[in-house]
This record gives sequence, C-alpha cells and structure tokens, in this order.
Amino acid sequence: QQPVQSPQAVILREGEDAVINCSSSKALYSVHWYRQKHGEAPVFLMILLKGGEQKGHDKISASFNEKKQQSSLYLTASQLSYSGTYFCGTVFTAGGRRETSGSRLTFGEGTQLTVNP
Amino acid sequence: DAGITQSPRHKVTETGTPVTLRCHQTENHRYMYWYRQDPGHGLRLIHYSYGVKDTDKGEVSDGYSVSRSKTEDFLLTLESATSSQTSVYFCAIKDRQFYNEQFFGPGTRLTVL
Repeated sequence: QQPVQSPQAVILREGEDAVINCSSSKALYSVHWYRQKHGEAPVFLMILLKGGEQKGHDKISASFNEKKQQSSLYLTASQLSYSGTYFCGTVFTAGGRRETSGSRLTFGEGTQLTVNP
Repeated sequence: DAGITQSPRHKVTETGTPVTLRCHQTENHRYMYWYRQDPGHGLRLIHYSYGVKDTDKGEVSDGYSVSRSKTEDFLLTLESATSSQTSVYFCAIKDRQFYNEQFFGPGTRLTVL
C-alpha cells in the first residue's frame, strides 16, 4: 500500500524543470510532500487536500488528481538548492473520510533529484 | 524549527542489548511519531502517540515499545536490539499551521553490531 514514486532519480541542469509523481493504489485523502538533504531530516514542503486545496510552499507547485489517485510535484527553473530526495506521504480515505487516526502518513520510497550547475 | 531534539544522535550497540531513544519537544504538541528510515524503504512508522500515555502501533512496530509519561517526551525502546534494527530513527510532531503537517527531529543513527 506504499505509494509509488516516479522517477526514482533525476538529474537536471540548473534552470531546468522536473516533475515528480506519486501514485497510490488506494483512495487518497491528502498528500504531503517533503524534501530531505543528505544526512538531514525531511523538511515539510506542502500539503494537497481533497478538493484541490494546496497549503504550504509558495515557490513549488503541485497537483492532486483524486480520480487517478495521484499527485505530482512541479519544480520549475530548478536551483542548486533543490537537490535532495523528495518524498510523498499519503493519508488514505475510506468512505470519504480519513482512513486512519492520528494523521498517519504512508511514505513513498523517494525520488532523488540532483541539480548540477 | 519545531523545537524537536533527539538523543543520542549516534549510538553503536551490540546485539541483545536494550536501547532507548529519546524525543523531546518544547511546543506542547499532542501528536508525536517515531519513524525508521532505511535505503529502499523510505520512512516507515513504528509507533505514534496522541497524548500522555496514549500510544498506538505503526506498520513496523515488532521489536519496539514506546512510552509517553510527559507531553514533551516520547521514548522509543528496543528491548533486545538486533542487527535488522540498524537504521536512522526520526521523531516527528504534528502541527496545525497548514493542515496536520509533520515536522521531523534531527534523527538518531543507530548501529547494532
């Protein structure tokens, strides 16, 4: 039930764009995106909710397609600081409500993004 | 900075010994979580707490126990450490600034020989 992220890794030159996808086999209530640099803790980027509401980072955009049970993170005009591993964390839904209590997140395996000069 | 500290930050221990990791927060958050992170698996939830003395299991709870006697401290115990528990352990809290987002502590790197 772990969400599947694609691609597993991507290498860019500074200024190029990238899209990272997160797909679930279960219906989604919300999707959380995090970025982790090597040796550091994951850092919260944004949340996407059912109905399309987006909360969080104002320089990175994302989409949430409830029917397709997937979310995409859009990194435009990439900067060197964007390098790191990106994780999606999902909250599943059952009968239109959150499936689990405590806002438990199920994370994907991550997408490693490298931005070169 | 969500005011989360973890101790110790690094630990090397031997198989069969008990180990306790501590997560401390200063902002009175109700929900706290313990995750482990391993290559190829991302972050996996071990246990979480929704209040003092209120805890529940995550997806990889076997071999781990937790306790929360004060709001600010959430302890993770490996009763008898095994080499398969070598990992990086992250504590997290749930905030409500946006919508139940989680913020992570700096992590503890545990090696079981």
